[in-house]
Amino acid sequence: DAGVIQSPRHEVTEMGQEVTLRCKPISGHNSLFWYRQTMMRGLELLIYFNNNVPIDDSGMPEDRFSAKMPNASFSTLKIQPSEPRDSAVYFCASSPYRGSFTDTQYFGPGTRLTVL
Amino acid sequence: TQLLEQSPQFLSIQEGENLTVYCNSSSVFSSLQWYRQEPGEGPVLLVTVVTGGEVKKLKRLTFQFGDARKDSSLHITAAQPGDTGLYLCAGAGNTDKLIFGTGTRLQVFP
Repeated sequence: DAGVIQSPRHEVTEMGQEVTLRCKPISGHNSLFWYRQTMMRGLELLIYFNNNVPIDDSGMPEDRFSAKMPNASFSTLKIQPSEPRDSAVYFCASSPYRGSFTDTQYFGPGTRLTVL
Repeated sequence: TQLLEQSPQFLSIQEGENLTVYCNSSSVFSSLQWYRQEPGEGPVLLVTVVTGGEVKKLKRLTFQFGDARKDSSLHITAAQPGDTGLYLCAGAGNTDKLIFGTGTRLQVFP
């Protein structure tokens, strides 16, 4: 079975450029989460969706960050413009919603973003 | 704000040693999960504990949920190099979101 798929796995860009990270959740999972992981701040929840609808985006750091989920099999996280402090590993996770957003989450391999 | 503090932050041991990782909070959680993250990969669920005082065993790993459901521990017996990774606890609190702990980075040397 295919797990959560993220692309690209690595992204190096220059400050000010637009960055788009992509995620394909596990088929049949209707909750999707975007996290950011750094050494300093650990694993932070940015935003999560249920049935393609954003539920809570309180973790999105700034207006430069936006996320969409146009259908059940695809989501994007966009940073525009990017800044060096956005450098981190970004994870997408999905879960089969059974009444709580705290059920087991299945993580993708992550996208390592470096902003120069 | 509910927080989960893990200790120690870093742990380097020799193969065959035993170790315990702690996950503590001042808040009550309805359940607690433990994940392991290997380098270059995402976290993978190891276990979920839901009852205060619950103990679960997974081969050489023993997980315990505190009686008051505010803390948890992970004990590894006879650690192996394959146990190397970042261990994360995650609690289900009062916000219907998983709260992840600060993490314990374990290195087991052969």
